[in-house]
Amino acid sequence: QLQLQESGPGLVKPSETLSLTCTVSGGSISNSGYYWGWIRQPPGKGLEWIATMSNSGSTYYNPSLKSRVIISLDTSKNQFSLELSSVTAADTAVYYCARHFSSTRSLDFWGQGTLVTVSS
Amino acid sequence: QTVVTQEPSLTVSPGGTVTLTCASSTGAVTSGYYPNWFQQKPGQAPRALIYSTTYKHSWTPARFSGSLLGGKAALTLSGVQPEDEAEYYCLLYYGGAQGVFGGGTKLTVL
Repeated sequence: QLQLQESGPGLVKPSETLSLTCTVSGGSISNSGYYWGWIRQPPGKGLEWIATMSNSGSTYYNPSLKSRVIISLDTSKNQFSLELSSVTAADTAVYYCARHFSSTRSLDFWGQGTLVTVSS
Repeated sequence: QTVVTQEPSLTVSPGGTVTLTCASSTGAVTSGYYPNWFQQKPGQAPRALIYSTTYKHSWTPARFSGSLLGGKAALTLSGVQPEDEAEYYCLLYYGGAQGVFGGGTKLTVL
């Protein structure tokens, strides 16, 4: 059974860079046909797509976040990462990593989520 | 900016049937948007229910079904159970693998 687990600081200062890692177990991120991505949910609000990347390098970003986001895969560690720069309080959210299948766009497996608070 | 719209809230009686919809600001939703549906309960990560409009995951209860209805994606729950009370989100794909979530529907079973 595929499992995804987010990790990273729970508190980030305004104007700094938020960095999160998703560790994948029970499957390889090198397998073709999958995208690996990040989704967030501010407290009490809905889900927001951030970015997604395939192991062939295809990348899709939320246009409203694109200028601040870097997503990357580390196949040697079976991990993928998110960097969000110049954060403000509006970036406070639960951040989820997830997998979706390319041909069916089936977004099937999610991590449990990690709360990141932006505050000085 | 693309907006995906869902009903903010719906109420259904136990054993009843309810349909949630998902509309796109760009026009009619088709299978090419690969609609996905998710259920989220308080304090939990979303759980996938439906993908590619109509397909169920192995863990999806049979009472959940997906379709296209009047230019929108739709999720129908038949024989609603108390444990179906939750927030439901749809996801549409635009231009490849770029996803946009709907604002969510809070389903109350009363």
